[in-house]
Amino acid sequence: DQQVKQNSPSLSVQEGRISILNCDYTNSMFDYFLWYKKYPAEGPTFLISISSIKDKNEDGRFTVFLNKSAKHLSLHIVPSQPGDSAVYFCAASIKAAGNKLTFGGGTRVLVKP
Amino acid sequence: GAGVSQSPSNKVTEKGKDVELRCDPISGHTALYWYRQSLGQGLEFLIYFQGNSAPDKSGLPSDRFSAERTGGSVSTLTIQRTQQEDSAVYLCASSLVGGNSYEQYFGPGTRLTVT
Repeated sequence: DQQVKQNSPSLSVQEGRISILNCDYTNSMFDYFLWYKKYPAEGPTFLISISSIKDKNEDGRFTVFLNKSAKHLSLHIVPSQPGDSAVYFCAASIKAAGNKLTFGGGTRVLVKP
Repeated sequence: GAGVSQSPSNKVTEKGKDVELRCDPISGHTALYWYRQSLGQGLEFLIYFQGNSAPDKSGLPSDRFSAERTGGSVSTLTIQRTQQEDSAVYLCASSLVGGNSYEQYFGPGTRLTVT
């Protein structure tokens, strides 16, 4: 039972355009959501997070949107840069349960110059 | 500042041998997590330590897996009698507890290959 799903395994976008990554979850107990970026042979790098009490959080080029009623979140990267090419993981946790992360399967993003 | 470090970066072992993987968390982080990423699988939670509390072992796949955290800092993940399905990248993460931030910061991982 996959509680966090990223239905797009890959995404290709032109440099300078917007990248939109999507993530769906099924467990309504999740109250904290995070996005990580991962390069090959490296550990995941934290990008941005959002608490379930908010519906938007912005940090520079990265914005995360949360739609609790739809159990859906998305990550917008604008403008996309070639260095953004990586695998992006959505993760969710329950703060009262120790914040163990449940990850989606990842979306591979390729930003073309 | 120094991030999470893990050693070794790569480990090749024969089926049936025991292995130990080490994690040094970020100084001052009281929470420590182990995850693994198997070929074709996503990242999955293994075990969680928080301060002096009993660890949450709910993600360990079998009793061949164990972990300890000494002095509230360094952690060791031990896999006994390794099997080929244990081949994966084992990732350690640490985080602060409290306040409004719950981000976990990951180390580079240990790639374990069981032959």
